[in-house]
Amino acid sequence: DIQMTQSPSSLSASVGDRVTITCRASQDISRYLAWFQQKPGKAPKSLISAASSLQSGVPSRFSGSGSGTYFTLTISSLQPDDFATYYCQQYNLYPLTFGGGTKVEI
Amino acid sequence: EVQLVESGGGLVQPGGSLRLSCAAAGFTFSNYWMSWVRQAPGKGLEWVANMKKDGSEKYYVDSVKGRFTISRDNARNSLFLQMNSLRVEDTAVYYCARGIAVNGDFGWFDPWGQGTLVTVSS
Repeated sequence: DIQMTQSPSSLSASVGDRVTITCRASQDISRYLAWFQQKPGKAPKSLISAASSLQSGVPSRFSGSGSGTYFTLTISSLQPDDFATYYCQQYNLYPLTFGGGTKVEI
Repeated sequence: EVQLVESGGGLVQPGGSLRLSCAAAGFTFSNYWMSWVRQAPGKGLEWVANMKKDGSEKYYVDSVKGRFTISRDNARNSLFLQMNSLRVEDTAVYYCARGIAVNGDFGWFDPWGQGTLVTVSS
């Protein structure tokens, strides 16, 4: 199975900060990576697919990059609505696997 | 607007069975892969099962193989998850999600339903 390792597991930041979350795959997954945002008590929401393609309606302050085994999700200027938990997911091979999550707190 | 509404969750004893349903609306259900993803209380996300749009391919995480069965009714825009031999560790919120295909294969999940809670306890 492909292991997805996110870091950090949590971080504290302020409104306006630039935030970067990393996701490492245990083997090469090319660019078959998605990012999701989840708020407490809510379903996850798709942010990015194919490592860097922003989903429709997602603010441009979100961006993704990377390929192979190393990926990042960057929020260029953190907004109050962005405080949530973020997950990466690989879709290169079954079983589909998620990272452990990164909680972004105030 | 795409909508996915899960139902069928509840409290069940270990060894018991439960059938989850997901009603889809707002898109052509028969054109999409569909999935179940779960989240144990306070934990991360775990993919459970996928089914191709025509039902010709099904995939499961190892921990549920032989116990869970994914199925769909394209005429009724519905997805199902039959869960047998339930274990305490199956306790989770179960989400139904539409799959976005990449070159015909499953890609990522978008969107997700609101989830239904399954509690396995004596």
